[in-house]
Amino acid sequence: EAGVTQSPTHLIKTRGQQATLRCSPISGHTSVYWYQQALGLGLQFLLWYDEGEERNRGNFPPRFSGRQFPNYSSELNVNALELEDSALYLCASSLLPYEQYFGPGTRLTVT
Amino acid sequence: AQSVTQLDSHVSVSEGTPVLLRCNYSSSYSPSLFWYVQHPNKGLQLLLKYTSAATLVKGINGFEAEFKKSETSFHLTKPSAHMSDAAEYFCVVSEVTSGTYKYIFGTGTRLKVLA
Repeated sequence: EAGVTQSPTHLIKTRGQQATLRCSPISGHTSVYWYQQALGLGLQFLLWYDEGEERNRGNFPPRFSGRQFPNYSSELNVNALELEDSALYLCASSLLPYEQYFGPGTRLTVT
Repeated sequence: AQSVTQLDSHVSVSEGTPVLLRCNYSSSYSPSLFWYVQHPNKGLQLLLKYTSAATLVKGINGFEAEFKKSETSFHLTKPSAHMSDAAEYFCVVSEVTSGTYKYIFGTGTRLKVLA
């Protein structure tokens, strides 16, 4: 069974640009979660989507947004990139209310 | 309120010696508890989970954890450390209450294994 997949693996953007990150959940999982892992800041919860709806949001500005598609895949958009947005972005999926399974992450570098 | 505390930010052990990574939790209800491992620049891998069955839980790679309700602890152990165990470990507490679902991560413990 395929695990959670994320693309791209690496993404380099300049300040002010927009970044789009993609995630495909494990087959049968309806919930997708996004986390930011910046150096020295630990794992920060960003967004949770379930059945196409945003269910919860972490303490991030509105320029972090996303959506979930009918096939349960998801994308995370970050607008007006800032240097401090450089981080590993992790996607996870689950079948509620069970454990989350993580993808390999997308490394976003903002220069 | 739910919370999870990993008592050590860094732990160093010699190869072949036991590993103990400590986790305490706070939960109003019957929680589910998990341990994850993250190798550098990789995603998180689920090591083991406790979901109200046996209190001693066995996971992958020889790790196990014991749920102790009286001590509100869920410490991760391994009898003999291997160099490949060097990584960051996260304890997680999860609750489903009143239709809401929470998945709370600890701040992580970085395990260093010395040759």
